[in-house]
Amino acid sequence: KQEVTQIPAALSVPEGENLVLNCSFTDSAIYNLQWFRQDPGKGLTSLLLIQSSQREQTSGRLNASLDKSSGRSTLYIAASQPGDSATYLCAVMGTNAGKSTFGDGTTLTVKP
Amino acid sequence: DAGVTQSPTHLIKTRGQQVTLRCSPKSGHDTVSWYQQALGQGPQFIFQYYEEEERQRGNFPDRFSGHQFPNYSSELNVNALLLGDSALYLCASSWGDQPQHFGDGTRLSIL
Repeated sequence: KQEVTQIPAALSVPEGENLVLNCSFTDSAIYNLQWFRQDPGKGLTSLLLIQSSQREQTSGRLNASLDKSSGRSTLYIAASQPGDSATYLCAVMGTNAGKSTFGDGTTLTVKP
Repeated sequence: DAGVTQSPTHLIKTRGQQVTLRCSPKSGHDTVSWYQQALGQGPQFIFQYYEEEERQRGNFPDRFSGHQFPNYSSELNVNALLLGDSALYLCASSWGDQPQHFGDGTRLSIL
């Protein structure tokens, strides 16, 4: 059974700081890993998708890496802004491209 | 290009009632998945529909059932509602190995 853990559960940083969010998973037989952002009371916004054959993906100030052998992914946010404040979730999709297993998220607060 | 749309946005029911939630996938997407998200937790996979068939199911009781229509839209039905069914219900659509796209969800409250 796949289990996904995100540490820390909450993080508060001053504006402009670079930061790393962590995601670990127990079963390395994955199809892909996806990072999402969720604002309070809203749905999920896809940030980055890493296929199992890839090592990293970049979009603007965001960079996500994947290390299947160690069961870890990181989301790097450069030059954080108050608008980045949200909950960040990682989701691991199994090899049959069906079920995604989510972590409980990291709630990020960026202070002006 | 409309993304994933879910209706209704909010719903209040009492214990024992039945509810139907609806989802229209993003244009071009043929696969729909449903998730339940309790407050402060990550979404939990309920089931996935592809070509009008349930392709995979999570650890949810038979009270949770679904349907996918020929136009790829989908419904989630929950019977005999319990207080513990109160949650945000999220629909996600996808196509092939492209990223999942989520709707804003339906907030279900059980009294």
